[in-house]
Amino acid sequence: DIQMTQSPSSLSASVGDRVTITCRASQSIGNFLNWYQLRPGKAPRVLIYAAASLHSGVPSKFSGSGSGTEFTLTISSLQPEDFGTYFCQQSFSAPYSFGRGTKLELQ
Amino acid sequence: QVQLQESGPRLVKPSETLSLTCNVSGGSITGGTNYWSWIRQPPGKELEWIGYISYAGSTNYNPSLKSRVAISADPSKKQFSLQLNAVTTADTAIYYCAVQLRYFGPWGPGTLVTVSS
Repeated sequence: DIQMTQSPSSLSASVGDRVTITCRASQSIGNFLNWYQLRPGKAPRVLIYAAASLHSGVPSKFSGSGSGTEFTLTISSLQPEDFGTYFCQQSFSAPYSFGRGTKLELQ
Repeated sequence: QVQLQESGPRLVKPSETLSLTCNVSGGSITGGTNYWSWIRQPPGKELEWIGYISYAGSTNYNPSLKSRVAISADPSKKQFSLQLNAVTTADTAIYYCAVQLRYFGPWGPGTLVTVSS
């Protein structure tokens, strides 16, 4: 099974900041990497798929990069609605696995 | 736009069967090439993919749960369902249904199922 290691596990930031979250796969997964946002009381939503493709309706302040085993999610110009938990997930092979999440909190 | 909503008992006793249904609106379970998945998140832990049923009715399960899980679909009711047998307190989690393509989305809002006597 492919293990996904995400860092940091938590992050404090202020409105207007730019933050970066990292995800590492235990083996090469090409660009089969997706990023999700989870906010309390709301359904999770996909932000980035195929490592760098912005999902429909997602603001361009979200961006993804990487391939193989190292991936990053960058969020620029943080707004209050961006605070929540972010997960990476590999779709290279079953069982499809997630990172442990990064909780982004308002400083 | 496809929308999903989970439903089912919120409290299940240890050793019994957890049963949840996902109601699909805005799309057909057998149309297109979608896969219909269940995912869960135990308290304080990462998300775990449980398995999927395809538009053609084939299934694929996480090996960690394969001996206890079954996913089925009723296209006439636009529903797909999860059954998890012989539950323990470790199965307490928020359970989500989701469309699976190369990524998961859209998702239902999730439902917390507690396993307790």
